[in-house]
Amino acid sequence: DSGVTQTPKHLITATGQRVTLRCSPRSGDLSVYWYQQSLDQGLQFLIQYYNGEERAKGNILERFSAQQFPDLHSELNLSSLELGDSALYFCASSTRTDHYEQYFGPGTRLTVT
Amino acid sequence: KNQVEQSPQSLIILEGKNCTLQCNYTVSPFSNLRWYKQDTGRGPVSLTIMTFSENTKSNGRYTATLDADTKQSSLHITASQLSDSASYICVVSALRNYGGSQGNLIFGKGTKLSVKP
Repeated sequence: DSGVTQTPKHLITATGQRVTLRCSPRSGDLSVYWYQQSLDQGLQFLIQYYNGEERAKGNILERFSAQQFPDLHSELNLSSLELGDSALYFCASSTRTDHYEQYFGPGTRLTVT
Repeated sequence: KNQVEQSPQSLIILEGKNCTLQCNYTVSPFSNLRWYKQDTGRGPVSLTIMTFSENTKSNGRYTATLDADTKQSSLHITASQLSDSASYICVVSALRNYGGSQGNLIFGKGTKLSVKP
């Protein structure tokens, strides 16, 4: 158990809908990262937050957005969902901003039908 | 373009045998390289992290090597067990503020290892 929690574990929704994925980092970790992993694909970095502020941006679509709240939990919002958005979404946390040691959560499996 | 290439794409070995997974990268400026193990449907778990000055790092039956000159790394698994069946992902971190659409982390696509009894 990495100490990073993600909810929900599974999510099934229809195209065009909007969903919110939630992540609680390990106690004391200030950085939160979001990743997308499509079937048989590698992990794709989406976005990083550090202590409430956006720190780095990867290949995140404009339909996706994220934020980190004062209690350090983070939410990833996915809107106007398409079939191709079906994937595993992982959250990771670390104490530092330089990605040195990241602890991954169990992931949320999103299925868009 | 910063890239991380892993080989082989997949590998099947018998329980008890050793194997070596390869990772070649073109990331610059280099910060560190890490190997993760990812069980199917689970989050990746860090095995080793190596900085520029480290050549070898071990974690139990896992030994990673790094040659910063040739930009190559390998992960050697000794006396494989059925529980080693997983994807092994090589991730290279560029120095902070390198930026780009990938952020500072560049992921390989992984090697899928199957250990058979």
